[in-house]
Amino acid sequence: GENVEQHPSTLSVQEGDSAVIKCTYSDSASNYFPWYKQELGKRPQLIIDIRSNVGEKKDQRIAVTLNKTAKHFSLHITETQPEDSAVYFCADYTGRRALTFGSGTRLQVQP
Amino acid sequence: DADVTQTPRNRITKTGKRIMLECSQTKGHDRMYWYRQDPGLGLRLIYYSFDVKDINKGEISDGYSVSRQAQAKFSLSLESAIPNQTALYFCATSDSRSSGNTIYFGEGSWLTVV
Repeated sequence: GENVEQHPSTLSVQEGDSAVIKCTYSDSASNYFPWYKQELGKRPQLIIDIRSNVGEKKDQRIAVTLNKTAKHFSLHITETQPEDSAVYFCADYTGRRALTFGSGTRLQVQP
Repeated sequence: DADVTQTPRNRITKTGKRIMLECSQTKGHDRMYWYRQDPGLGLRLIYYSFDVKDINKGEISDGYSVSRQAQAKFSLSLESAIPNQTALYFCATSDSRSSGNTIYFGEGSWLTVV
């Protein structure tokens, strides 16, 4: 659980298109996978999370999927809007230590 | 979230000086964290504390120390600041009683070491 890889580092989409950000983790004991959004000049804030006993979770235009076998999880944003432009961080958690964050994805939604 | 307050919000200090960043929270959470953010490097964990008597090193603890003065207070110190410690520092909290480990960040403290 010491390493979470996040891709891509930057992503540019047209307004209305979908965006997908992927993360992989290494610790099979990881059981909680949150996604944080950080707008320019602001603190990161939780937007959605998923637990290891669930394969998919959706909240309006955002969804997260988890593949425990492959040890990866993804954030999906549909019908993107300019206000979705931000840096997104994935993280994983085992219960034994603090959250480990990915390196972030800068999403830019072009109007 | 004003429940997690960091002071100072901005600070410029000279190389070799000691600097302390303070964090206090009114959320009643037992767990507290210090993260550092550099452009392109995401959020890296410096230290974390799961309760008042617990202190743990994160991935980049060298050059830093912490003190958990009370459940609500967690301070980060740079004993002898160096320029590559210039960064945005976030304090965060979480509640061990919650089913996940959602963490709540303070507004951040910009530190510049010249």
